[in-house]
Amino acid sequence: QKEVEQDPGPLSVPEGAIVSLNCTYSNSAFQYFMWYRQYSRKGPELLMYTYSSGNKEDGRFTAQVDKSSKYISLFIRDSQPSDSATYLCAMSAGGNQFYFGTGTSLTVIP
Amino acid sequence: GAVVSQHPSRVICKSGTSVKIECRSLDFQATTMFWYRQFPKQSLMLMATSNEGSKATYEQGVEKDKFLINHASLTLSTLTVTSAHPEDSSFYICSAIQQGGETQYFGPGTRLLVL
Repeated sequence: QKEVEQDPGPLSVPEGAIVSLNCTYSNSAFQYFMWYRQYSRKGPELLMYTYSSGNKEDGRFTAQVDKSSKYISLFIRDSQPSDSATYLCAMSAGGNQFYFGTGTSLTVIP
Repeated sequence: GAVVSQHPSRVICKSGTSVKIECRSLDFQATTMFWYRQFPKQSLMLMATSNEGSKATYEQGVEKDKFLINHASLTLSTLTVTSAHPEDSSFYICSAIQQGGETQYFGPGTRLLVL
């Protein structure tokens, strides 16, 4: 079993839709959770960082962590064509070991 | 804040030559830097982890004599692809962790094409 599971998609939504991206994990020691956005031919960009459980909101983006279910989500409200990218989840128990999902490819159609 | 740069952004070289890629943390000190490789439409593949002033730790299957990593300062790490071959053509991305931080900040990547 992989440490982190992420549906690769592709996911295609109309502009303005609410997008839900998810990852599950198996290691209960993970306490640092990140979401990255990667445009084609670019490096990943940190979108959201959450420590432990709970919600965090930043503009149109909301990150949720449910440690009891070992499940994290990223919600994008009022999705825009510029949100079209690959979204990677990542997590860590601390230290230098990080575990990445395989990424979900999102296309927002105008 | 937390900006990581890479240079060059793209490089084309002949088979057998060596290529050096620089990764710099511009506005913070990075105790740890990572080097990744990414093939088209695939996820990140960790190659090695480097800590300032010590030898890099390579992932299984990554040849340390082929991919030389130097992390000489808290703001600079370099990856040298020695005797590059066409199969080394790929997108190489570095990342860095701030001192006391728990998140990685990625560089923009370097596209290497070996002819």
